[in-house]
Amino acid sequence: QKEVEQDPGPLSVPEGAIVSLNCTYSNSAFQYFMWYRQYSRKGPELLMYTYSSGNKEDGRFTAQVDKSSKYISLFIRDSQPSDSATYLCAVSGNTPLVFGKGTRLSVIA
Amino acid sequence: DARVTQTPRHKVTEMGQEVTMRCQPILGHNTVFWYRQTMMQGLELLAYFRNRAPLDDSGMPKDRFSAEMPDATLATLKIQPSEPRDSAVYFCASGQYSYNEQFFGPGTRLTVL
Repeated sequence: QKEVEQDPGPLSVPEGAIVSLNCTYSNSAFQYFMWYRQYSRKGPELLMYTYSSGNKEDGRFTAQVDKSSKYISLFIRDSQPSDSATYLCAVSGNTPLVFGKGTRLSVIA
Repeated sequence: DARVTQTPRHKVTEMGQEVTMRCQPILGHNTVFWYRQTMMQGLELLAYFRNRAPLDDSGMPKDRFSAEMPDATLATLKIQPSEPRDSAVYFCASGQYSYNEQFFGPGTRLTVL
């Protein structure tokens, strides 16, 4: 079983839709949960960073962690064409990050 | 505005040739990571350094890959000899102490024919 599983998509939504991106992980020792965004032909950039369980909101983005089910989510409200990118989840337990393979999102105007 | 730089941005080479990729981390960052990204495998950690010392290179094929940090402003990843299966995008990232907040460079897109 891979340490982090992420549905690769692609996911295509109309502008203004609510987007839900998800990952599952296998190691309960992971404590830090990140979402990175990667635009085409660019390097990933950190989007959201959460520690332990709970929610974190930043503008239109909400990151959610459920450690009991080893499930992490990223919600995007009022999605925009500029949100079109690949979203990678990453987990860590004071160890180097383990990345999911990424979900490719297209927001259609 | 501080950013990680990588050279070259693109490299096309023949099988068997040596390839050297370079990375300049953000000034003041003490941790440098090398990753390889492919469609099939996603983003894989190859090696990483802290304060220029190699901490882990277990992700690299040892017989052909080598990574070094000759000084705090330069990290190198070398492949010798290169093979078609090495075709991928290679990213360098740097961070300050934390594993979690990493700043990625634009990548080197390598094609081995």
